[in-house]
Amino acid sequence: DTAVSQTPKYLVTQMGNDKSIKCEQNLGHDTMYWYKQDSKKFLKIMFSYNNKELIINETVPNRFSPKSPDKAHLNLHINSLELGDSAVYFCASSQGATMSYTFGSGTRLTVV
Amino acid sequence: QKEVEQNSGPLSVPEGAIASLNCTYSDRGSQSFFWYRQYSGKSPELIMSIYSNGDKEDGRFTAQLNKASQYVSLLIRDSQPSDSATYLCAVKGSGATNKLIFGTGTLLAVQP
Repeated sequence: DTAVSQTPKYLVTQMGNDKSIKCEQNLGHDTMYWYKQDSKKFLKIMFSYNNKELIINETVPNRFSPKSPDKAHLNLHINSLELGDSAVYFCASSQGATMSYTFGSGTRLTVV
Repeated sequence: QKEVEQNSGPLSVPEGAIASLNCTYSDRGSQSFFWYRQYSGKSPELIMSIYSNGDKEDGRFTAQLNKASQYVSLLIRDSQPSDSATYLCAVKGSGATNKLIFGTGTLLAVQP
């Protein structure tokens, strides 16, 4: 029983393509996040949704568009992929004030 | 100044020694602090959380918090080769959102 699952695990694509990453959590958490981890291991928040409402939208190019159809799902769509988008993208979830995040296994995106 | 700062390492300790990992943060209003461990190619996993000044112990791990100095540390006693990983310090900002801000992590290498 995977608590936070992401698909796909690996994604190799050409510059200019559009791709999506999907995330689902079965923990009953009310908040979900997308983080980007670069080659130096720095984890930076991109977006957060609380009960399907966007609450965090960091300085991210508008080629990145999150969608939360319900509180258990948070997807990330990326248009016109660029070389600099290559990174590992982590989905995470948390419940309320405990703030303990549970991370998904990550999606390694490589743009060639 | 970075919001959460850690020495990137690598920090090399012999098996059985105490490993000491340090973290400083800039937001004086921060109230929640976390240590995550990340093995190479894996997702971050929570190992400790701390909310009050002082020490918190959990098995071989002790988290220490000093809000006046804006300093958090993690001690790992009786270090094992399996502890070799990147340790990420994370701080919840004082804003209304549940945003966790991560440091760049310290790579710990425990030598057998």
